[in-house]
Amino acid sequence: EPEVTQTPSHQVTQMGQEVILRCVPISNHLYFYWYRQILGQKVEFLVSFYNNEISEKSEIFDDQFSVERPDGSNFTLKIRSTKLEDSAMYFCASTLEASGFQETQYFGPGTRLLVL
Amino acid sequence: GENVEQHPSTLSVQEGDSAVIKCTYSDSASNYFPWYKQELGKRPQLIIDIRSNVGEKKDQRIAVTLNKTAKHFSLHITETQPEDSAVYFCAASTAPYGGATNKLIFGTGTLLAVQP
Repeated sequence: EPEVTQTPSHQVTQMGQEVILRCVPISNHLYFYWYRQILGQKVEFLVSFYNNEISEKSEIFDDQFSVERPDGSNFTLKIRSTKLEDSAMYFCASTLEASGFQETQYFGPGTRLLVL
Repeated sequence: GENVEQHPSTLSVQEGDSAVIKCTYSDSASNYFPWYKQELGKRPQLIIDIRSNVGEKKDQRIAVTLNKTAKHFSLHITETQPEDSAVYFCAASTAPYGGATNKLIFGTGTLLAVQP
């Protein structure tokens, strides 16, 4: 069964550094998402992406964050200048279709980001 | 804003007993309600979902009920087994007709412990 993949599985960075988290969504999926989960807390929506542009973003997704689909397979989340509070597990998700009828969102294994 | 409340935060049952987890959502336009199981350090995995045009759905030992009037939905696990032990998250989403972002708004999670 196809799965969403993410790299790296763990990332440790210094405060103020830039990080790029990478995701490969399921190949025929059209809608892509980033969520984060601070340790012990619920999963929170960051951003959704469709047709090469952001569909919706949350309050968490400020100017320090950006997303990109640089080619036909990868979907990236960039944090320009990391803060301590960015430490979390970041999940990528994808779904085939979202227009009028809900489709299952499939989650990747996550990247655990630790900002020191 | 959109919010999903989930109770209880922890639930301990004996193997073979039933477990019930309840969620309440705030956005009356929500029309899709998935449940995810998350084992420690792993990705959320969909176990069952329900759309607003049905009131109940069952899959073997797992069932979900939806009360749109009260904006409640519940997960029922019967004949629990130790491998059911995990954190369970409910979520709600809205897909306006004709295209949507269908972001998931998650509840705060329930740690289910099934005692052998």
